[in-house]
Amino acid sequence: EDKVVQSPLSLVVHEGDTVTLNCSYEVTNFRSLLWYKQEKKAPTFLFMLTSSGIEKKSGRLSSILDKKELFSILNITATQTGDSAVYLCAVASGGGADGLTFGKGTHLIIQP
Amino acid sequence: KAGVTQTPRYLIKTRGQQVTLSCSPISGHRSVSWYQQTPGQGLQFLFEYFSETQRNKGNFPGRFSGRQFSNSRSEMNVSTLELGDSALYLCASGQGFLQETQYFGPGTRLLVL
Repeated sequence: EDKVVQSPLSLVVHEGDTVTLNCSYEVTNFRSLLWYKQEKKAPTFLFMLTSSGIEKKSGRLSSILDKKELFSILNITATQTGDSAVYLCAVASGGGADGLTFGKGTHLIIQP
Repeated sequence: KAGVTQTPRYLIKTRGQQVTLSCSPISGHRSVSWYQQTPGQGLQFLFEYFSETQRNKGNFPGRFSGRQFSNSRSEMNVSTLELGDSALYLCASGQGFLQETQYFGPGTRLLVL
């Protein structure tokens, strides 16, 4: 059975800090890893990673995938209160019936 | 461009009833995926449709079914509702296959009494 584990489950930091969120996975026929941000409503797409070692960046957020060690990290620098959200990691596996497997998410709280 | 729309936004049903939820994807998107989100289990993949064909299916019982129409709109049906089906049901649309960028709708919150 495919598995995605995120850590930590929750994190409280102060504005301006840098945070690193972790996602490890065990899936068959890996295709891609995706990061989402979920505030009060629907998840918002952040990144899709398919190749190992290539960093994706968007402003203060960046992410990298290690396909050998089966994990990804999401970094947020100079955090702001608007970064408070649940960050979800999902892995897409090919080969038919598995689809997307989500982790439980990291609940990030940024204190002013 | 209009985003993904889902109807209804809120729904209350009783055990044993059935329910149909609707999702209209972003114009031009051909892929629609459905997810169930609960506090205990998190976000779980239900199924994905692409060009009216179910391409992927998650690990849910046969009471959960769906379909996609020629205009890419999709419906999800849950029969013989159980209390545990209470959840936020999200749909997401994308241009291509499951692993490409997906845009989520606001969700339908279903409460089963």
